Amino acid sequence: DAKTTQPPSMDCAEGRAANLPCNHSTISGNEYVYWYRQIHSQGPQYIIHGLKNNETNEMASLIITEDRKSSTLILPHATLRDTAVYYCIVRVSYSGGGADGLTFGKGTHLIIQP
Amino acid sequence: KAGVTQTPRYLIKTRGQQVTLSCSPISGHRSVSWYQQTPGQGLQFLFEYFSETQRNKGNFPGRFSGRQFSNSRSEMNVSTLELGDSALYLCASSLADSLVSYEQYFGPGTRLTVT
Repeated sequence: DAKTTQPPSMDCAEGRAANLPCNHSTISGNEYVYWYRQIHSQGPQYIIHGLKNNETNEMASLIITEDRKSSTLILPHATLRDTAVYYCIVRVSYSGGGADGLTFGKGTHLIIQP
Repeated sequence: KAGVTQTPRYLIKTRGQQVTLSCSPISGHRSVSWYQQTPGQGLQFLFEYFSETQRNKGNFPGRFSGRQFSNSRSEMNVSTLELGDSALYLCASSLADSLVSYEQYFGPGTRLTVT
C-alpha cells in the first residue's frame, strides 16, 4: 500500500471548517483513499473513502486532487467532539472477499478549540 | 443494528500466561480483523479471518493466533504472555462483499495489561 504523509497536529476553532491534508504521491491507480479517526481510548471510526472523485457524506467531505497525489478531509462545522487523531490510509481494492490489514500511520491529532 | 462487541474490555494477566479475547462482528459481516495498538508502535494489523479461514496475517510471532466460527464470531489467543504484549487489542468487522471497496467497523477494544 502507498505511504501517506500527514501533519502531526492541527488546531481548529469550534464551528469552523477543519481541513486535514494528506499527501500520497506514490498512490497507484487501483488504490483508494480512506479516512478514519480515533477518539481517545476508543476504536477507530470509519469516516469516508474515495477513488478519484470528490465524496461527501453526513460526516465529512473528501477532496482528491486530479493527479490523486494528495487529498483533503473537510469537517464542515467542527465541534469539540471532533477532537481526535485522523488517519489517512491508501489501499487497494480487492475482489473475492477478504480484507488485507489497514496500515495506520501516526495520523494528525486535530484539536478543536472552544 | 448492534456494533462490534469485544469481551472482556479489560484484562490483567501475568507473564507466561495465555489469554483469549473475543469479538462479535456486526450482524451479516463475514470478515473479522484484529489489530494491536501500543503507544510505541501504533496500530498494527495482526490477522484477518473470512468465512472461518485466515486470509491475511501481519508480522507477529506465532504466539498470536486466532480463529473464526461459523457465526463469524472470532477469538484471538496470545500464549506465553510477555510484558510487551500489553496493548489495546481491537477487532474490526467488514461486510467484505464488495468487489470495489469496503470499510471496517471497529469495536471498543480489549485493554490487556501484562504484569
